[in-house]
Amino acid sequence: EDKVVQSPLSLVVHEGDTVTLNCSYEVTNFRSLLWYKQEKKAPTFLFMLTSSGIEKKSGRLSSILDKKELFSILNITATQTGDSAIYLCAVFSGGSNYKLTFGKGTLLTVNP
Amino acid sequence: KAGVTQTPRYLIKTRGQQVTLSCSPISGHRSVSWYQQTPGQGLQFLFEYFSETQRNKGNFPGRFSGRQFSNSRSEMNVSTLELGDSALYLCASSFSGEKLFFGSGTQLSVL
Repeated sequence: EDKVVQSPLSLVVHEGDTVTLNCSYEVTNFRSLLWYKQEKKAPTFLFMLTSSGIEKKSGRLSSILDKKELFSILNITATQTGDSAIYLCAVFSGGSNYKLTFGKGTLLTVNP
Repeated sequence: KAGVTQTPRYLIKTRGQQVTLSCSPISGHRSVSWYQQTPGQGLQFLFEYFSETQRNKGNFPGRFSGRQFSNSRSEMNVSTLELGDSALYLCASSFSGEKLFFGSGTQLSVL
């Protein structure tokens, strides 16, 4: 069975801190790894990674995938209170098991 | 471009009843997936439809069913509701099934 594990489950930091969120996975027929941010209801797309070792960046957020060690990290630098959210990691598997498997998420709280 | 639209936003039902949730995908998207989200379990995959065909199904009982229409709109149905079905039900659409765009969900409470 496909498995995605995120750590830590929750994290409290102060504005300006840098955080690293972790995601490890075990899936068959790996195709891609995706990160989402969920503030209230609808998760919003952050990154999709398919190639190992290539960093994706968007402003203060960046992510990288290691396909050999089966993990990804999401970095957020100079955190702001608006970064407070649940960050979800998901892995897309193809073949006959065509689906996106989510981890349980990391709850990030950024205090002023 | 309009996003994924789910209706209703909130729903209160009693045990034993059935419920139908609706999802309108982003225009041009042919894949619609459904997820159940609870605080303890996170997002659990229910099923995915592509061009009116169910491509994959998660590990949920047969009380959970879905369908997709020719205009890509999708519905999911839960029959004989149980207390444990209380959850946020999220629908997501994509062009090919990989990069998902989510709706705001339907919050279902079963009393």
